[in-house]
Amino acid sequence: DAKTTQPTSMDCAEGRAANLPCNHSTISGNEYVYWYRQIHSQGPQYIIHGLKNNETNEMASLIITEDRKSSTLILPHATLRDTAVYYCIVRDSSNTGKLIFGQGTTLQVKP
Amino acid sequence: DGGITQSPKYLFRKEGQNVTLSCEQNLNHDAMYWYRQDPGQGLRLIYYSQIVNDFQKGDIAEGYSVSREKKESFPLTVTSAQKNPTAFYLCASMGQGNTEAFFGQGTRLTVV
Repeated sequence: DAKTTQPTSMDCAEGRAANLPCNHSTISGNEYVYWYRQIHSQGPQYIIHGLKNNETNEMASLIITEDRKSSTLILPHATLRDTAVYYCIVRDSSNTGKLIFGQGTTLQVKP
Repeated sequence: DGGITQSPKYLFRKEGQNVTLSCEQNLNHDAMYWYRQDPGQGLRLIYYSQIVNDFQKGDIAEGYSVSREKKESFPLTVTSAQKNPTAFYLCASMGQGNTEAFFGQGTRLTVV
């Protein structure tokens, strides 16, 4: 079973920030939080990952709470091309075992 | 360029036939994964392999088989025992340590 829970769907206005939450209350100390997104009928694309500290790259920012039980992916200026399913997963970087995806959040960016 | 390739993109088969989906990577990744995705659903893990000549069942392995004879290749066979084989199949690979998984573009299998 997936170790994360996400809302099924969210809407966001074009040009506004999209904030996608993820709960991972059973995360262990050596597990990273990863975010991927999947545009219809394509393979998932990596976005960002982090362990404890907030992270930012050219695509998004990742905010992880101090207790690490939840995180938020922020797309600062959503565009129509950001409409996709967003998956949050946790993974222990010390092994390459099971990689389990949940149902993800369908983000609809509206004009 | 390094990457992961699935072929073919679309595949049609008659019911009762076995079919093999190809997945090749030149990223020197140890781990490889197969997922199945049905319309409007998330990814479900079929099989995974952490090292050559070894693989483990995922959550929905029944009706599928795999092999891992080479590091670069992880083919998936959909057998006639799979009750509902029509789906979108995704392959992924991942290296050791703090790295992300790379996905192929998928194979859409239709069984008629």
